[in-house]
Amino acid sequence: IAGITQAPTSQILAAGRRMTLRCTQDMRHNAMYWYRQDLGLGLRLIHYSNTAGTTGKGEVPDGYSVSRANTDDFPLTLASAVPSQTSVYFCASSVGQGSYNEQFFGPGTRLTVL
Amino acid sequence: AQSVTQPDIHITVSEGASLELRCNYSYGATPYLFWYVQSPGQGLQLLLKYFSGDTLVQGIKGFEAEFKRSQSSFNLRKPSVHWSDAAEYFCAVARSRVDKLIFGTGTRLQVFP
Repeated sequence: IAGITQAPTSQILAAGRRMTLRCTQDMRHNAMYWYRQDLGLGLRLIHYSNTAGTTGKGEVPDGYSVSRANTDDFPLTLASAVPSQTSVYFCASSVGQGSYNEQFFGPGTRLTVL
Repeated sequence: AQSVTQPDIHITVSEGASLELRCNYSYGATPYLFWYVQSPGQGLQLLLKYFSGDTLVQGIKGFEAEFKRSQSSFNLRKPSVHWSDAAEYFCAVARSRVDKLIFGTGTRLQVFP
């Protein structure tokens, strides 16, 4: 049982390039989330999806987009990367929406934008 | 707006010593409170959570936390730290059971043998 997988593990990207971070879960969880982790700022929610076919904006959505075509996959796209998007990105999922349900996290993607 | 503060950026303890990590929140009503742990190179894992009831909450790996309304705090404790507890610890808060989590900035724990 893999849980949540993220790809790539790490990536160095030139500014202005498009990049998609992949996230797949095999737990049949309805809700999925994308966070970025920055030193001194903790984790901040970028986008979320309460169920397949729906998405919502989190605390820091600008410059990012997501889609949720099915239950398992929740890709995060940076249309035109900027250096301020250098961060570690975590995908998470939970059985249902809201804090009542435990979130399970993937191992993260370390992204560097030069 | 709700927020959560972890005053200690970095804490160092000796193996076998007791541990207390501080967490303070700002929210008018009683929030939903969480502690997560992030081991090096890993994602976050839930240690424990408080929604209501007994203010002393037991979690995994021998951790516990106590909700103190008068101090707006939810400090994490462990009576005897093991080297494997070295990690980063995040406190998180939500306004309700359907709300999203707001994370603190984290406390990095270093354990010396």
